Amino acid sequence: GDSVTQMEGPVTLSEEAFLTINCTYTATGYPSLFWYVQYPGEGLQLLLKATKADDKGSNKGFEATYRKETTSFHLEKGSVQVSDSAVYFCALSPSFGSGGSNYKLTFGKGTLLTVNP
Amino acid sequence: DAGVTQSPTHLIKTRGQHVTLRCSPISGHKSVSWYQQVLGQGPQFIFQYYEKEERGRGNFPDRFSARQFPNYSSELNVNALLLGDSALYLCASSPPTGSYNSPLHFGNGTRLTVT
Repeated sequence: GDSVTQMEGPVTLSEEAFLTINCTYTATGYPSLFWYVQYPGEGLQLLLKATKADDKGSNKGFEATYRKETTSFHLEKGSVQVSDSAVYFCALSPSFGSGGSNYKLTFGKGTLLTVNP
Repeated sequence: DAGVTQSPTHLIKTRGQHVTLRCSPISGHKSVSWYQQVLGQGPQFIFQYYEKEERGRGNFPDRFSARQFPNYSSELNVNALLLGDSALYLCASSPPTGSYNSPLHFGNGTRLTVT
């Protein structure tokens, strides 16, 4: 079945440091890939997405590129801020042709990011 | 516009009891999905409903059931609660079909504690 493996946390960085959170996946076909962020006490918010190979999703300075050859979707940000402290989840939804539902997301376990001033 | 709203926000139940969690999707969204997020883990898919019909079910026991109403709101019911059911229950809605790659919009969840 589908699975997502992401970098174990926690990750602690100083403000303005470079961030990478690794994410790899196992799925048939061409799934859509997502990064969600969860702030303390809140639900999940979509951060960015990519729906086909070589697509780059970006939002709020975060970027991730859909790499089919390495089945990866690593999250990066050039300069983190204290306000970026949260849990980050990598997720996938099955490809349309596989008959799966695009509403059934498979999530990784999450990576806690703490940014210190 | 209001986002996905869930009630209650927190709930404490004892083993063996049942619980009903409620969700109102974003206006215009016809699909509702439910996820269970155990502390320290990623959310796990429980159900998806579209136009009041169950369209998908995750690997959860029959103690878990759900339904969707004509106004597209939804309830998640869990019977015979176990300690392991303690989790954050997330509801998500999405636009009508035709927007295959439209992302899910999540509510803030209901924190269920079973003692």
